[in-house]
Amino acid sequence: KAGVTQTPRYLIKTRGQQVTLSCSPISGHRSVSWYQQTPGQGLQFLFEYFSETQRNKGNFPGRFSGRQFSNSRSEMNVSTLELGDSALYLCASSLRNNEQFFGPGTRLTVL
Amino acid sequence: KNEVEQSPQNLTAQEGEFITINCSYSVGISALHWLQQHPGGGIVSLFMLSSGKKKHGRLIATINIQEKHSSLHITASHPRDSAVYICAVPLNYGGSQGNLIFGKGTKLSVKP
Repeated sequence: KAGVTQTPRYLIKTRGQQVTLSCSPISGHRSVSWYQQTPGQGLQFLFEYFSETQRNKGNFPGRFSGRQFSNSRSEMNVSTLELGDSALYLCASSLRNNEQFFGPGTRLTVL
Repeated sequence: KNEVEQSPQNLTAQEGEFITINCSYSVGISALHWLQQHPGGGIVSLFMLSSGKKKHGRLIATINIQEKHSSLHITASHPRDSAVYICAVPLNYGGSQGNLIFGKGTKLSVKP
């Protein structure tokens, strides 16, 4: 089975722009979660989706949004980028209530 | 709201040594996760456990639900075990596992 894939792998944006990141889960996995990793804050939970519904949301401003499609693929969007949004964004998928399988991440740099 | 504490933050060992990493959490959980992250960012799930002990090769994870404490042990450590080890628990008790909060990680370096 193919693993979790994330695109793009690297991205450079400037302040004020917006960005969309994509995550394709392992086939058959309906749960997709997003996490942000920075050197200062470590790993933090962003959102969790299951069957196109947002099930949980972390403590991030409204500039961070996401969605899940009927094929379980998920996207997250960050609008009005700030320097502090520079981070590794990780997506993970799972079968319901099971271990998490992480993708390789998208490294976002905001200049 | 759950909080996760890990120790030690950094650990240097000689090849062959027995290693222990500890994790404590503050609120009841349905399961606890041990993750491994290599340089470059990729995260691998090592264990998900809700009670007792699990073993996978040279890795052993234990959990004491009453004491809200878990340990990850590596027997006969090897330089390829060098990585960051992260403990994580769900944000919400009784729900899914896909809303993890994380410890700050233990950076392990095993010298040959």
